[in-house]
Amino acid sequence: QSALTQPPSVSGSPGQSVTISCTGTSSDISSYNRVSWYQQAPGTAPKLMIFEVSDRPSGVPDRFSGSKSGNTASLTISGLQAEDEADYYCSLHTGSSTRVFGGGTKVTVL
Amino acid sequence: QVQLQESGPGLVKPSQTLSLTCTVSGGSISSGGYFWSWIRQRPGKGLEWIGYIYYSGSTYYNPSLNSRVTISLDTSNNQFSLKLSSVTAADTAVYFCARDHWGAFDYWGQGAPVTVSS
Repeated sequence: QSALTQPPSVSGSPGQSVTISCTGTSSDISSYNRVSWYQQAPGTAPKLMIFEVSDRPSGVPDRFSGSKSGNTASLTISGLQAEDEADYYCSLHTGSSTRVFGGGTKVTVL
Repeated sequence: QVQLQESGPGLVKPSQTLSLTCTVSGGSISSGGYFWSWIRQRPGKGLEWIGYIYYSGSTYYNPSLNSRVTISLDTSNNQFSLKLSSVTAADTAVYFCARDHWGAFDYWGQGAPVTVSS
């Protein structure tokens, strides 16, 4: 069982917004800002979409945004597009040097 | 542009040691500032972080795999490697190497599928 909990699936129509949550155990997410998010299309390697809670790497559309409240981090996709259909994973780097992933969320564009 | 490429046997027998190498191009693994991680994905499952090595040679492993994992560095060839001992069918997975910037995996290899079977 993942130490970070994500919903198995979320869905939305083109143009809508969807939000994926990532909830930690104890106070791990609330204590650290090294939360990142990855997009993985079938048969491909994951792609970094968000790092340090809300920063976007160069080339990632600003439709993707990250935030954190208490012990839950969130990824929001605004203006959902067909190409956004993929699996999304959160991850956390804690002060103990370990890295941990969430269980993943499948985003379906209706 | 940094690129990573995994290589190694795609089939390993149970109880043997899985060995994979990640070759890095477009940047030096000795330059510091980055960790170099291995991550795996079992069929139909999520991502699992295995461990990292720093340019200094220091390592840190997932506690759930700690006793079976060794990650090493070959700076002369700009490579880092994974060894996972005493494998079982549960170790069948796609293994990814990735550049790790304080927990943000910004560059990934394409993945190496490994099957554990006799």
